[in-house]
Order: sequence, then C-alpha cells, then structure tokens
Amino acid sequence: GNSVTQMEGPVTLSEEAFLTINCTYTATGYPSLFWYVQYPGEGLQLLLKATKADDKGSNKGFEATYRKETTSFHLEKGSVQVSDSAVYFCALSKHGSSNTGKLIFGQGTTLQVKP
Amino acid sequence: GAGVSQTPSNKVTEKGKYVELRCDPISGHTALYWYRQSLGQGPEFLIYFQGTGAADDSGLPNDRFFAVRPEGSVSTLKIQRTERGDSAVYLCASSYSGTGGGNTEAFFGQGTRLTVV
Repeated sequence: GNSVTQMEGPVTLSEEAFLTINCTYTATGYPSLFWYVQYPGEGLQLLLKATKADDKGSNKGFEATYRKETTSFHLEKGSVQVSDSAVYFCALSKHGSSNTGKLIFGQGTTLQVKP
Repeated sequence: GAGVSQTPSNKVTEKGKYVELRCDPISGHTALYWYRQSLGQGPEFLIYFQGTGAADDSGLPNDRFFAVRPEGSVSTLKIQRTERGDSAVYLCASSYSGTGGGNTEAFFGQGTRLTVV
C-alpha cells in the first residue's frame, strides 16, 4: 500500500542552522508529494508541493525535490528562524482518473528552533 | 473569505454517548475530507465527499462512524457509542476539486479535539 515515512523528532536547532527533515514514500505509480506545516495553535497549512519527478517545490525559504530513484522528498532550509518552530508533515496524493485527492501523511516531525 | 470552520473546537463526552462534529468548508469547494489525528501521529483519512455523495469512505474505522453532507456544503461527522479510543483531533479539509492528481490545494480547519472519558 501507499505510505510515507519521516524522520523522528523532535529536531532541535539553533537559529540560522541548516535544516533537513527526511521523508521517503512507498506508492504505486507517480504520486504528488507535499509538505504541510502546523504552527502552534493553528491548522495544517500547505508549505510546498511537487507533482512529478525532479520537480522542486519551494516556499518561505524551504525546498524539497521529488526524487523518484530514491523515493524521497526531503525538506531543507538553509537558515532556520525561531518562527519556523512547528510540526512538519510529509504527505502524498495519488494521480489518476480515480484519484480522490486524499492525502496520506507521515507521522510528523517537530522542529524547535532556539534563539 | 473565511477558511474551513469546525465546531466545536473541543468536545468532552462520556463513553457510550453520541457526538456530532461539524465542518463548514470554503464556499465553492466541492471536495470535502475528514481526517483523524491521534496524539503524535499524522492525520489519517476517514472519508471523502464530492458534492453530496461520499465518494470514498474506506477510512472509516467501523460502523459507529458515519458522515453526511446533504446539501453539498456543510458536513457532519457522527460517532455513535463513543469509546475512549475515539479520542483524537478530527480534521476537516476542503478543496476546489478532489480530482486532478492532487493539483488542487486542500485547506484544513483547526480541528475538533474529541475526548471520551
């Protein structure tokens, strides 16, 4: 079946450090891949997405590249800020005429950035 | 415009009781999803509506769970004979269209935290 696996957290970094949160997936066919973020006290928000192999999604300084050969979609940011502290979820959605758009999420990775 | 609205934000109920959770999607969004998020886990899909009909209910855990969307906008998730294991945050999301290979963004509400005591 389809699944998403993320690195376990929490991840604790100092401000301006480099961030990587690993995400790998298992899926038949060619899914779309997403990173969602949940800030404290807020709902899930789409951070970035990629819909086909080698696409790079980017937003707010975050980037992730759809790697079909390694079935990965790792999230990176060159210099994190305290305001990036949140829970990050990797997710996939299937293509196709029968696609319902439902998302399959990883378990989430908590990021804490200290000043 | 308003985002996805879920009410109540918190619900505490006794084991065995019936509960209803409401979702008001973004106006014009035909696709509506319910997810359940247990502590420390990612959201898990429950059910998907396209318009008024439940197009995919494969995620509903058992027949105590039921959802409706009678007029194609507001949806209600109904849980009968609640159990302590039903305690979780129930999330609702809507998008303009459920099809298209995930190319349309899903917008999430803030969820209803259900606690069964």
